[in-house]
Amino acid sequence: SYELTQPPSVSVSPGQTARITCSGEALPRQYSHWYQQKPGQAPVLVIYKDTERPSGIPERFTGSSSGTTVTLTISGVQTEDEADYYCQSGDTSGIYDVVFGGGTKLTVL
Amino acid sequence: QVTLKESGPALVKRTQTLTLTCIFSGFSLTTPGMRVSWIRQPPGKALEWLARIDWEDDKFYSTSLKTRLTVSKDTSKNQVFLTMTNMDPEDTATYYCARDGRGEIYFDYWGQGTQVTVSS
Repeated sequence: SYELTQPPSVSVSPGQTARITCSGEALPRQYSHWYQQKPGQAPVLVIYKDTERPSGIPERFTGSSSGTTVTLTISGVQTEDEADYYCQSGDTSGIYDVVFGGGTKLTVL
Repeated sequence: QVTLKESGPALVKRTQTLTLTCIFSGFSLTTPGMRVSWIRQPPGKALEWLARIDWEDDKFYSTSLKTRLTVSKDTSKNQVFLTMTNMDPEDTATYYCARDGRGEIYFDYWGQGTQVTVSS
């Protein structure tokens, strides 16, 4: 199996842009997906297939991919965006495990 | 409307076997492409994928835990089960079931999670 590496924490002020990265050797070959998790709640899908946004997710959440690194960008951060964010990748063949990154705590100062 | 809900014992003893149930609605595990996974999260730690079962009854397990896990389903009752043997205090976590069924493996709907504590 492989790993996905995220920074433990990112801090931004309200209205600024937050960028959360996720690195992994399989990312050029597999899609990445992002989840937001607030304390005491289940994760919520915010980006899938690198760049797609589920219905109901604000447009300020965007995803991008470049080589072995994918990035979740939150533009115009709001205080309600303070949460843990996890990247995830999976192999539909079942050869490799579904993998989550270690999570990034986004603090809105 | 898709919903999932986990249930099971809140407390198990070391070496015991844990059995969890996921009851879902709004989709069918007989629909081609549909899958349900189990995912856990120890307190203050990251998410960890455990297992999944699909519409064809194919089963996949975490490499590190596969000797202890069994996933199964009852499609007539819209239920998925997870059994984990030889429980240890390190297995203390919130256990989630989640649906994926859009080709690529990502989880668009999650249950609320069920907290399991393993006592020594």
